[in-house]
Amino acid sequence: GESVGLHLPTLSVQEGDNSIINCAYSNSASDYFIWYKQESGKGPQFIIDIRSNMDKRQGQRVTVLLNKTVKHLSLQIAATQPGDSAVYFCAEELNDMRFGAGTRLTVKP
Amino acid sequence: DAMVIQNPRYQVTQFGKPVTLSCSQTLNHNVMYWYQQKSSQAPKLLFHYYDKDFNNEADTPDNFQSRRPNTSFCFLDIRSPGLGDAAMYLCATSRLQGGTEAFFGQGTRLTVV
Repeated sequence: GESVGLHLPTLSVQEGDNSIINCAYSNSASDYFIWYKQESGKGPQFIIDIRSNMDKRQGQRVTVLLNKTVKHLSLQIAATQPGDSAVYFCAEELNDMRFGAGTRLTVKP
Repeated sequence: DAMVIQNPRYQVTQFGKPVTLSCSQTLNHNVMYWYQQKSSQAPKLLFHYYDKDFNNEADTPDNFQSRRPNTSFCFLDIRSPGLGDAAMYLCATSRLQGGTEAFFGQGTRLTVV
């Protein structure tokens, strides 16, 4: 079946740099996407979402971009901080919610 | 204040001994999900409820069952746990079936010995 996936399993950035985490999805009917952050031993935590009628959405230090033409989703984190170190998942929600493979972000001081 | 509460946080069970994990929510959400997450993997959807309507994933083992006696509570029953069932089990709720964010509990780490 169709599923959501991620391009990179790990990402290491320097503190203060911007981070970009990517996600590819294959279900063209998907109309809602979410980025979650998961710290070790905890449940996923909502970061930002976007609906399919939008191309971009900004939050505090985070931006999500949606390219429906190529079925691609990205999460941009500005001025990455050590506290941003975690695993990031994109999720696709249509009639239920399914996750991509995840990217582990490590922030070096 | 926790809105989705999973108990216990850590559960150790014997191989083949039935175990029940619980989830409660204070959000009055219609949708409740159960996910299984193994180390360094994404959460895998096991089943979900929209109100009382139960939706089972095709590849969820028969060993796994769920109950939702009311809006606030949902249970995951593993009838005969095997070593391969050791994982983090995550419960989540969502106001609607599609189009709204899900809120997660802290998970229950299941160990099978």
